[in-house]
Amino acid sequence: DQQVKQNSPSLSVQEGRISILNCDYTNSMFDYFLWYKKYPAEGPTFLISISSIKDKNEDGRFTVFLNKSAKHLSLHIVPSQPGDSAVYFCAAFGTSYDKVIFGPGTSLSVIP
Amino acid sequence: SQTIHQWPATLVQPVGSPLSLECTVEGTSNPNLYWYRQAAGRGLQLLFYSVGIGQISSEVPQNLSASRPQDRQFILSSKKLLLSDSGFYLCAWNLSNSPLHFGNGTRLTVT
Repeated sequence: DQQVKQNSPSLSVQEGRISILNCDYTNSMFDYFLWYKKYPAEGPTFLISISSIKDKNEDGRFTVFLNKSAKHLSLHIVPSQPGDSAVYFCAAFGTSYDKVIFGPGTSLSVIP
Repeated sequence: SQTIHQWPATLVQPVGSPLSLECTVEGTSNPNLYWYRQAAGRGLQLLFYSVGIGQISSEVPQNLSASRPQDRQFILSSKKLLLSDSGFYLCAWNLSNSPLHFGNGTRLTVT
């Protein structure tokens, strides 16, 4: 049973445009959500997070939106840059649910 | 500042041989520790996590095991490797309610 889903395995975007990566979850015990970026042969690096008491969090070009009623979150990257090309993982955990569960990832390609 | 060390970076082992991957964290106390695996073209699968010394939770039944002999040391082991154990193994740590921080990973190829 996949508790964190990323239904788009890949996404291509033109440089300068917006990239939108989507994530859905099923476990209502999750109340903290994270996005990670991963290059090949490296460990994932933390990008941005959001807690369930918020619906938006911004950090530079990265914004995460949370729709708790729909159990859906999204990561917006504006403007997209070629260096953003990587696999992006959505992850979740809860204050009473210590395990951090990752989605399967979305491979983003930003085309110059 | 906190750092995480994972070794070796790459490993090629024959089927049936034992495995030991080690991970240590510096600069923090009583972290939660995790082992994940990324198989080729797939996402991050949680294998084991630990909230304290000697406390290991297994997420996936398989021929791998984990141990936490010290507060900041996490070891992934196998007595006999299978071909299907090939993958990219990642150690990670966090404190409660904070993001995970990953090591650089170990690329394991079982031949």
